[in-house]
Amino acid sequence: DTAVSQTPKYLVTQMGNDKSIKCEQNLGHDTMYWYKQDSKKFLKIMFSYNNKELIINETVPNRFSPKSPDKAHLNLHINSLELGDSAVYFCASSQGSGRATEYFGPGTRLLVL
Amino acid sequence: GENVEQHPSTLSVQEGDSAVIKCTYSDSASNYFPWYKQELGKGPQLIIDIRSNVGEKKDQRIAVTLNKTAKHFSLHITETQPEDSAVYFCAASKQGRRALTFGSGTRLQVQP
Repeated sequence: DTAVSQTPKYLVTQMGNDKSIKCEQNLGHDTMYWYKQDSKKFLKIMFSYNNKELIINETVPNRFSPKSPDKAHLNLHINSLELGDSAVYFCASSQGSGRATEYFGPGTRLLVL
Repeated sequence: GENVEQHPSTLSVQEGDSAVIKCTYSDSASNYFPWYKQELGKGPQLIIDIRSNVGEKKDQRIAVTLNKTAKHFSLHITETQPEDSAVYFCAASKQGRRALTFGSGTRLQVQP
């Protein structure tokens, strides 16, 4: 299936731990994104990567670091997890950016205890 | 930067009625306006989009209208069905901007 996939779907962990979320797209897109969706459903852009180059980084703590081993993958590493990091994290991809349609993955539900 | 406001936050309609969701944007240079539907436990999925060279676009029961002068755009769903129940997001962007700016979402409930 052509799609944006994420693993894991659910992630429950303790405060202070380090965790990673993986994202892969097989749509041949050149731009990938990470969004955070809070409990009120607000969707906020965290990062985007274009041709392995970080091109935006909103006011995200440096505990969050995106890593892109190749054009089809954009993983999210989170260090020293905090309670406020609990949210749903979505990966997305597009061909180009700006006026491009973004295709979203199914989300990773992170709960920090 | 761009700011997108979306109303209402919740909308309840009877099956068969129409539903309208409205968004306004702040950057007059924005020229791409997609709408996404997010079902429970899933990621947002594009349902329709419009670019600034057209004022209206229709796809079966859904339509989007754009008023560039007033900087607002709307989603219209006719003959609503229970499976239309979801959270709907509007978004705006333009060439050169690196990602979409989303509205705050509208939870649509279609009562059977």
